[in-house]
Amino acid sequence: DAGITQSPRHKVTETGTPVTLRCHQTENHRYMYWYRQDPGHGLRLIHYSYGVKDTDKGEVSDGYSVSRSKTEDFLLTLESATSSQTSVYFCAISRGGNNSPLHFGNGTRLTVT
Amino acid sequence: TQLLEQSPQFLSIQEGENLTVYCNSSSVFSSLQWYRQEPGEGPVLLVTVVTGGEVKKLKRLTFQFGDARKDSSLHITAAQPGDTGLYLCAGPGVSTSGTYKYIFGTGTRLKVLA
Repeated sequence: DAGITQSPRHKVTETGTPVTLRCHQTENHRYMYWYRQDPGHGLRLIHYSYGVKDTDKGEVSDGYSVSRSKTEDFLLTLESATSSQTSVYFCAISRGGNNSPLHFGNGTRLTVT
Repeated sequence: TQLLEQSPQFLSIQEGENLTVYCNSSSVFSSLQWYRQEPGEGPVLLVTVVTGGEVKKLKRLTFQFGDARKDSSLHITAAQPGDTGLYLCAGPGVSTSGTYKYIFGTGTRLKVLA
């Protein structure tokens, strides 16, 4: 299995508080992705990175920011959490290229009360 | 906006039955991938189809890429309880920066009863 670690695995936080989720890889892959998974929506892309300090928005980026200061770490920050951001968040990595597979972490379950 | 729609959304069948899951789009994709996800885990790649009309087999699973590269199907023969899970299709999306972002379908949740 690809070396991907997400932390924390579970988090409960209150509305309005900042939250940071971490994704760490040991594969030296160029691409890293953050998705959220909600019933009936499959996986929706939040942000992704194609290199250190190189990031781009996905389809549901509002309310989220990301940072990648080194190859192995990709951080997702909710500046002021809302109940609509309650979800399961998945990090994925890829070498890049049209046919390159994505390798996923085991997810972070975030509950915003 | 590129979208991938999957059908059916839910499927509950008896062990030994056959089934087909569909992944459709109005956009052309250079390739499509299929993933399976089990509870509490991230999705795992099953296959990538690249050429229009391509058929790939993985044991009892048969994957097909449409001739026009706008759709794909997954057929499972003689389903087993171990096939239970969420099946997701995914394709490389268009980005203005020329980088690779992957779009996922809405998913098909399969339950195979013993």
